[in-house]
Amino acid sequence: DAGVTQSPTHLIKTRGQHVTLRCSPISGHKSVSWYQQVLGQGPQFIFQYYEKEERGRGNFPDRFSARQFPNYSSELNVNALLLGDSALYLCASSPTGQVYGYTFGSGTRLTVV
Amino acid sequence: DAKTTQPTSMDCAEGRAANLPCNHSTISGNEYVYWYRQIHSQGPQYIIHGLKNNETNEMASLIITEDRKSSTLILPHATLRDTAVYYCIVRVAGAQKLVFGQGTRLTINP
Repeated sequence: DAGVTQSPTHLIKTRGQHVTLRCSPISGHKSVSWYQQVLGQGPQFIFQYYEKEERGRGNFPDRFSARQFPNYSSELNVNALLLGDSALYLCASSPTGQVYGYTFGSGTRLTVV
Repeated sequence: DAKTTQPTSMDCAEGRAANLPCNHSTISGNEYVYWYRQIHSQGPQYIIHGLKNNETNEMASLIITEDRKSSTLILPHATLRDTAVYYCIVRVAGAQKLVFGQGTRLTINP
């Protein structure tokens, strides 16, 4: 069975640009969560979606948005990129949205220059 | 959310048992202790979790003190592939997110 897949694996953007990151959950998992991991720190919660509805949001500015599609895949969008948005963006899927059963993908490494 | 305290770094010799401590003195009765690890440039990997009884799986053992204020993750025969950052996280059963601290950077030496 395929695990959580994220694309792209790496990308470089310029300040002020917009970026879209994608995540495909494990088959049968209805919840997707997004985390940001800045170098040297633990991952920080951004969003959770369950059954296509937002169920939780972390302390991130409105430049960050996300959505979940009918097939339970998800996109994370970041507008007006700042240098500080450079990070590893992780997606985790779970069957019900609870932390039990969380499985993380390998992440997308975003570099803003 | 209960706060956890872990050593910043630890070393262990290959083949020996690696014992990673975690303090969670403010843990509530309905909060579980979760352990994840993150190998360089990969996503966090679930290791084990428990409420109050000791737990063991194919990866590790989790020992929780009787007062539940601390726990120890044990990797019985550490290999070089166990070099990673290990996170101890305390969460209620229905929690929808994980709250990561700084973790312990474990280095397994040949």
